Amino acid sequence: QQQVKQSPQSLIVQKGGISIINCAYENTAFDYFPWYQQFPGKGPALLIAIRPDVSEKKEGRFTISFNKSAKQFSLHIMDSQPGDSATYFCAATQEAGNTPLVFGKGTRLSVIA
Amino acid sequence: EADIYQTPRYLVIGTGKKITLECSQTMGHDKMYWYQQDPGMELHLIHYSYGVNSTEKGDLSSESTVSRIRTEHFPLTLESARPSHTSQYLCASRPRRGEAFFGQGTRLTVV
Repeated sequence: QQQVKQSPQSLIVQKGGISIINCAYENTAFDYFPWYQQFPGKGPALLIAIRPDVSEKKEGRFTISFNKSAKQFSLHIMDSQPGDSATYFCAATQEAGNTPLVFGKGTRLSVIA
Repeated sequence: EADIYQTPRYLVIGTGKKITLECSQTMGHDKMYWYQQDPGMELHLIHYSYGVNSTEKGDLSSESTVSRIRTEHFPLTLESARPSHTSQYLCASRPRRGEAFFGQGTRLTVV
């Protein structure tokens, strides 16, 4: 019930291409779905987040697509750049109450020129 | 820039020593977390707290303890360090709703 499954484990994309990372969750009580970006030697930092009242959220080149019935959400990075090379983590939680953030296992993205 | 601080940033310590990793935040967040992470790998929840005098165990809690006496402070203690504890330790805090903010981490090496 607490798992968040993330795929792929690693991803190589050409500069200018689209990077797509997928996550699936089990707990239907989850109502907050953030994506975190982590560079080597740094802590994760929030990239973008979505709540289930919308099916898509876009911030610049980053878009979250959310499918409540399938219990899936995905991150799309448009026009991927070498500076986007990092590890990306999806997460989920139930905001009311004390459920901790449950993280996926991460996707290591490499954007090559 | 998140106001959450971890000390020390790097620590090399001998087997069997007792150590405390410090984490402080100035944002008044109720929820705080400790994660263990090998470089670039998944985040393992060690302990968390949802307020003063509340602590809960995560997946990897058996060899460490935490306390939450003040809102801003959430230290993690390893009673007897072992080489298997060599890893990066990340502290995070969250308000009741919204994003979690992570510290820079403590890189621990046990020799």
